[in-house]
Amino acid sequence: DSGVTQTPKHLITATGQRVTLRCSPRSGDLSVYWYQQSLDQGLQFLIQYYNGEERAKGNILERFSAQQFPDLHSELNLSSLELGDSALYFCASSADRGGYYGYTFGSGTRLTVV
Amino acid sequence: AQTVTQSQPEMSVQEAETVTLSCTYDTSESNYYLFWYKQPPSRQMILVIRQEAYKQQNATENRFSVNFQKAAKSFSLKISDSQLGDTAMYFCAFMAPTGANSKLTFGKGITLSVRP
Repeated sequence: DSGVTQTPKHLITATGQRVTLRCSPRSGDLSVYWYQQSLDQGLQFLIQYYNGEERAKGNILERFSAQQFPDLHSELNLSSLELGDSALYFCASSADRGGYYGYTFGSGTRLTVV
Repeated sequence: AQTVTQSQPEMSVQEAETVTLSCTYDTSESNYYLFWYKQPPSRQMILVIRQEAYKQQNATENRFSVNFQKAAKSFSLKISDSQLGDTAMYFCAFMAPTGANSKLTFGKGITLSVRP
């Protein structure tokens, strides 16, 4: 157990729907990162929050949004889902702003869009 | 943008033997960090080893060590005394402390199979 908790572990939904993925960082970690892992694109950085504030944004679609709450948990919202959004979504956390000692990853949420 | 290249898609090694996984990267930064992550079939991403670019000494963690060649922009992972539990996908990753590259950028990964 890495200490980073992601729920749900699996999610199956239809095209056009909206889903919310949840992440609780490791205790004491202030930074949260979201990544998407797919066979064709590999691991792609989506977005980072540090202590409630957005710090960096990567290849995140406009249909996707995220936030970090005062208790430091984070949610990734995916809307108007398409078949191509099917992927493994990882949350990771780090104690420092930059994650220079590496990130601690959760076990991921497997999203299947049908 | 920084790129990380892992050109070998798959490798296989006999249990107890040594295997080296290759990684190259492209950057104009002088200060940065390099990582190897392991993703076993459980899909959990696990940090294996970390290297700071300004440190000449190669990092070592038990059976895992790296060969960091800064001038060649090469960062290979050596696994000694391979064990069945080392079977996994291995990702090389790069991070610069500032600017647009201040997040982990991963290579495509290499699938390592350890044969009994």
